[in-house]
Amino acid sequence: DGGITQSPKYLFRKEGQNVTLSCEQNLNHDAMYWYRQDPGQGLRLIYYSQIVNDFQKGDIAEGYSVSREKKESFPLTVTSAQKNPTAFYLCASSIAVTSTDTQYFGPGTRLTVL
Amino acid sequence: DQQVKQNSPSLSVQEGRISILNCDYTNSMFDYFLWYKKYPAEGPTFLISISSIKDKNEDGRFTVFLNKSAKHLSLHIVPSQPGDSAVYFCAPGGRGSTLGRLYFGRGTQLTVWP
Repeated sequence: DGGITQSPKYLFRKEGQNVTLSCEQNLNHDAMYWYRQDPGQGLRLIYYSQIVNDFQKGDIAEGYSVSREKKESFPLTVTSAQKNPTAFYLCASSIAVTSTDTQYFGPGTRLTVL
Repeated sequence: DQQVKQNSPSLSVQEGRISILNCDYTNSMFDYFLWYKKYPAEGPTFLISISSIKDKNEDGRFTVFLNKSAKHLSLHIVPSQPGDSAVYFCAPGGRGSTLGRLYFGRGTQLTVWP
């Protein structure tokens, strides 16, 4: 069963702690993305990766870091430098980074920083 | 600077009637347009897309219309069903600096009542 998995579904952390969100895909897609959604907002791009060992900043990369050591995995670390980390985080993948390739999304992780 | 605007945050329609969701964009480099549907606490799912070389694309109950000169697209759902109740996002992508990027509007919450 192909798809994108994100874990955990809900995550709670204390302020000042770094936290890593998991994203795994078995679709054999080259491109992967991280978005953030806040209430009443669209999805905003944090980072994306076109290929293993390569990634680019999106619109709101400050306070976040990523790695792409394997094709299947694109973990996102929310650092203590991120001023408003509480949000719904969505991972997506596509065959490649082109305008015509549909992005497929995981179920999301709700992060709450206390 | 919002490049994609969905000016109606919500839309309420009776079951069986037509739902029309609108999207306006400003970037003339956009040449591919996707619509996503999202339920609460889940990732968006791809619904339908249209290329800029077309002005209409139909898939079952869903039809997307593109007016390039007006930089406007709309999603028509006929007939609307209660299961269509969700948030709908317009997400264009395009050439040049926008290549590979999708830009999401803020979404329209559709409610279909019996």
